[in-house]
Amino acid sequence: DTEVTQTPKHLVMGMTNKKSLKCEQHMGHRAMYWYKQKAKKPPELMFVYSYEKLSINESVPSRFSPECPNSSLLNLHLHALQPEDSALYLCASSREQGVRGYTFGSGTRLTVV
Amino acid sequence: AQSVTQPDIHITVSEGASLELRCNYSYGATPYLFWYVQSPGQGLQLLLKYFSGDTLVQGIKGFEAEFKRSQSSFNLRKPSVHWSDAAEYFCAVGAGTASKLTFGTGTRLQVTL
Repeated sequence: DTEVTQTPKHLVMGMTNKKSLKCEQHMGHRAMYWYKQKAKKPPELMFVYSYEKLSINESVPSRFSPECPNSSLLNLHLHALQPEDSALYLCASSREQGVRGYTFGSGTRLTVV
Repeated sequence: AQSVTQPDIHITVSEGASLELRCNYSYGATPYLFWYVQSPGQGLQLLLKYFSGDTLVQGIKGFEAEFKRSQSSFNLRKPSVHWSDAAEYFCAVGAGTASKLTFGTGTRLQVTL
């Protein structure tokens, strides 16, 4: 299995909702990442987990809450989002923390209404 | 800080013609360099990467790229473009010990038949 699987593929949520994005990999990778990509823009790093511990938080607002319950699973909990948070959220993983070998998932398209 | 410049926002080529997408980077040491392709609404697929060694790198789908340290460039080439190559192309730079991939703003490739 050489894939990073993200669910759901599409999500529409209201500004008062709570939802979660899920990312799963079974490649034995020990680092996992969340990137945010706004329309017609490049992806930007949000969080990095290494060995299930939060390693990097790129000053992301607290309405985004990451969680790594085990080495195969990465969640992004969403609460009280704003319309400007609408974007494609990409998950990636790598064998170890670092940029030598990322595998990206296909993303979750989030729309906040 | 590392940065990437893709000077061409949009390129149109005829099917069967050759292609070169430009990428210039700024980084203090030898960077890790990547080219990714993204179809509309999809995740990122790695085309090729350069870490060290031979400066001409072969990738998937018939793409290649050449690292030129003197010009701080990592241009992507393909000798004969297919209509299915139409997509957004991102150049990215990273440092080995860091976790962050910094992406260029992307080049949208349109292929005319």
